[in-house]
Amino acid sequence: GNSVTQMEGPVTLSEEAFLTINCTYTATGYPSLFWYVQYPGEGLQLLLKATKADDKGSNKGFEATYRKETTSFHLEKGSVQVSDSAVYFCALVAPWNTDKLIFGTGTRLQVFP
Amino acid sequence: DSGVTQTPKHLITATGQRVTLRCSPRSGDLSVYWYQQSLDQGLQFLIQYYNGEERAKGNILERFSAQQFPDLHSELNLSSLELGDSALYFCASSGRGSSYEQYFGPGTRLTVT
Repeated sequence: GNSVTQMEGPVTLSEEAFLTINCTYTATGYPSLFWYVQYPGEGLQLLLKATKADDKGSNKGFEATYRKETTSFHLEKGSVQVSDSAVYFCALVAPWNTDKLIFGTGTRLQVFP
Repeated sequence: DSGVTQTPKHLITATGQRVTLRCSPRSGDLSVYWYQQSLDQGLQFLIQYYNGEERAKGNILERFSAQQFPDLHSELNLSSLELGDSALYFCASSGRGSSYEQYFGPGTRLTVT
């Protein structure tokens, strides 16, 4: 079946460090891929998306590239801030199936000053 | 602010009881999704409605039911509650031509004692 695998957290970084959170997926066909962020005590916010191979999604300094050959959608940011501390979820939609979101387990990011 | 509203924010109830969670989608969105977030299961899709009709069902227990009304708001009904039903319940909505983007409400935290 369709699934998403994320690196386990927590990821602990100092401010201005480079961030990578790995995400790989299993799906037949061409899913749409998403990153959502959940700040403490809040709902999920859509961070970025990519709908076809080699697309790059970007928002607020975060980027992720849809890699069909490696079935990956790794999240990156060049310089993290304390305010980026949150839980990040990778997700896919397999539209030929249903348009429900299938989530990874989430990766907690902690950024220290 | 995603434009999706959920009430109540918190709900504490006893085992065996029944509760109703309410969701109002973003203006113009026809699809409503319900998700459950728990520590052991992560984020799981429960059910989707599109313009009043059930579109897809996920891991939703028989004790749970949902509906979408003509004004497009949705309700999730949970009955014969068990301790294991304690979780965060999120509603999300999406619109036509949205590339499968879903926008989440702030969630309802249900505690069953």
